[in-house]
Amino acid sequence: DVKVTQSSRYLVKRTGEKVFLECVQDMDHENMFWYRQDPGLGLRLIYFSYDVKMKEKGDIPEGYSVSREKKERFSLILESASTNQTSMYLCASSYYNGANVLTFGAGSRLTVL
Amino acid sequence: KQEVTQIPAALSVPEGENLVLNCSFTDSAIYNLQWFRQDPGKGLTSLLLIQSSQREQTSGRLNASLDKSSGRSTLYIAASQPGDSATYLCAVYTDKLIFGTGTRLQVFP
Repeated sequence: DVKVTQSSRYLVKRTGEKVFLECVQDMDHENMFWYRQDPGLGLRLIYFSYDVKMKEKGDIPEGYSVSREKKERFSLILESASTNQTSMYLCASSYYNGANVLTFGAGSRLTVL
Repeated sequence: KQEVTQIPAALSVPEGENLVLNCSFTDSAIYNLQWFRQDPGKGLTSLLLIQSSQREQTSGRLNASLDKSSGRSTLYIAASQPGDSATYLCAVYTDKLIFGTGTRLQVFP
């Protein structure tokens, strides 16, 4: 079974702190994605990556950056957390085969005070 | 711009009922459509994937259909059980995966 592991299930941070959300997948997937999920807004794509050291902006990249130094790891970085970044963050990965069948991690619930 | 809508937003049914969840999308130029299940506070689990050339897919008590020309998909759940209670999301893939806001299903005993 493909596993996508998000290391932190629940985080509480203060406004202005730097936040790292880590995601690791163990099936050699080329593609990795970060979404945030908010009530009434659904899942929105923040950033994605098709290869190591490669990144593309999604629909709502403002306030976020990402890092992909190794194929299996995709990190989401909040340089200076704000209260409007309180959300559920979901990482996903897939093969680069056109079908783009995503496998999701369990999610990281971030609260910014 | 592709938009994905799911109706109803919430549904509560007694155990044993057959039910249909609806998903509509505005741009028919899709590669595939996926249905996901999400339990409270958890990630998403892929249920069914329908390629654009397919009309339906089945897995156990679940059947998903796709009518690309009309921009619609349905997820049919047969003989619903309390364990089916979850939020169901559909997503269409064009150059990226675009999600609907989901249908929250509660099946009561």
